[in-house]
Amino acid sequence: SFELTQPPSVSVSPGQTASITCSGDKLGDKYVCWYQQKPGQSPVLVIYQDTKRPSGIPERFSGSTSGDTATLTISGTQAMDEADYYCQAWDTSLYVFGTGTTVTVL
Amino acid sequence: EVQLVESGGGLVQPGGSLRLSCAASGFQFSNYGMNWVRQAPGKGLEWVSYISSSDKTIHYADSVKGRFTISRDIAKNSLSLQMNSLRDEDTAVYFCAREGGGSTYYLDFWGQGTPVTVSA
Repeated sequence: SFELTQPPSVSVSPGQTASITCSGDKLGDKYVCWYQQKPGQSPVLVIYQDTKRPSGIPERFSGSTSGDTATLTISGTQAMDEADYYCQAWDTSLYVFGTGTTVTVL
Repeated sequence: EVQLVESGGGLVQPGGSLRLSCAASGFQFSNYGMNWVRQAPGKGLEWVSYISSSDKTIHYADSVKGRFTISRDIAKNSLSLQMNSLRDEDTAVYFCAREGGGSTYYLDFWGQGTPVTVSA
């Protein structure tokens, strides 16, 4: 079955850049999106179709892909960006979520 | 403003049934595919089911296939999930989420979730 793998945790200092990877078999052939989820809240879409940012999402969030790895980058990370982040792709009639990454702003 | 409001969650015994609902507003409900996604306590997101805008296409995760049924009522702008033969591992917060239009395979709006606890 199709799986998406993310690092369990990423730590970043305020103002620095956080990068979260998402890897999966033939992921380069699929669109990837990313969600941010803060404790006790619903997920929020932050990147869709690999690189697009929904209205209202700050420019410091960006997405990219290279081969079978997608990356969410948070530039100039702020304390409010501390959250869980999930990648997601679609594969043969299934939505598949990544394992999730907790971003800690130290 | 797009709003999705889930209801119907609660405590149910193993083997029991529960019906979740999601009231949609602020958009043309009939034009969008809809999904259910769940999150077990302390765990990640797990997609559960999808129904297309036309109702012609329905998909389920293997973990719920044959036990859960997704449906929608266009007249009431409502999405439902009928859950039968519930198991301990179905315990989770259940979110309804809108697909971003036209088979785009991303979920652009989510409800606040409704908790389901399966326990004796």
